[in-house]
Amino acid sequence: GQNIDQPTEMTATEGAIVQINCTYQTSGFNGLFWYQQHAGEAPTFLSYNVLDGLEEKGRFSSFLSRSKGYSYLLLKELQMKDSASYLCAGGNDYKLSFGAGTTVTVRA
Amino acid sequence: DTAVSQTPKYLVTQMGNDKSIKCEQNLGHDTMYWYKQDSKKFLKIMFSYNNKELIINETVPNRFSPKSPDKAHLNLHINSLELGDSAVYFCASSQDSSGSFKETQYFGPGTRLLVL
Repeated sequence: GQNIDQPTEMTATEGAIVQINCTYQTSGFNGLFWYQQHAGEAPTFLSYNVLDGLEEKGRFSSFLSRSKGYSYLLLKELQMKDSASYLCAGGNDYKLSFGAGTTVTVRA
Repeated sequence: DTAVSQTPKYLVTQMGNDKSIKCEQNLGHDTMYWYKQDSKKFLKIMFSYNNKELIINETVPNRFSPKSPDKAHLNLHINSLELGDSAVYFCASSQDSSGSFKETQYFGPGTRLLVL
């Protein structure tokens, strides 16, 4: 199966760091994606991991361990505009399988 | 310069009606998708098309019929609309043409369908 689990909600303070964990049970995933979705808007691509390790892109980093079926998205120096839903997704065979998303609320 | 566009943005209709949603991408991508996002915000794949051919039909009822007249367009027609069809429908596209799924998907703005 391709069960993808991530926490439902997280709250953090502006300027802080938040780590969103994602675990999955799958065979054949070619990569692990993270998308950001603001309320009422379309998901937008944040990061993609195909190999184990950390991928860094400015304030956002993503980590993957294929053997453990585990990924995380790290958001640094949180800003109010980072308040959104963050979706973990596994990709294979012409489709993305999404987790339910983690709603991150950034407080001043 | 909209990459992936959908029309209409909002669609309110009566149960039992037939409606269509259109999607176009100007990215030159080979693969297009339809996703459904329900009230719990869970995003789920419905269909994948690669070079106008259906690749994935994720156990979607026959009332939903996608059509791809060319690889830049993927339309979704829904017959006999039901209350449970109310959701946000997202179109997406990616360059990937091999099925190995290494390419980012770009999403359209979504169509908010409400069935009364």
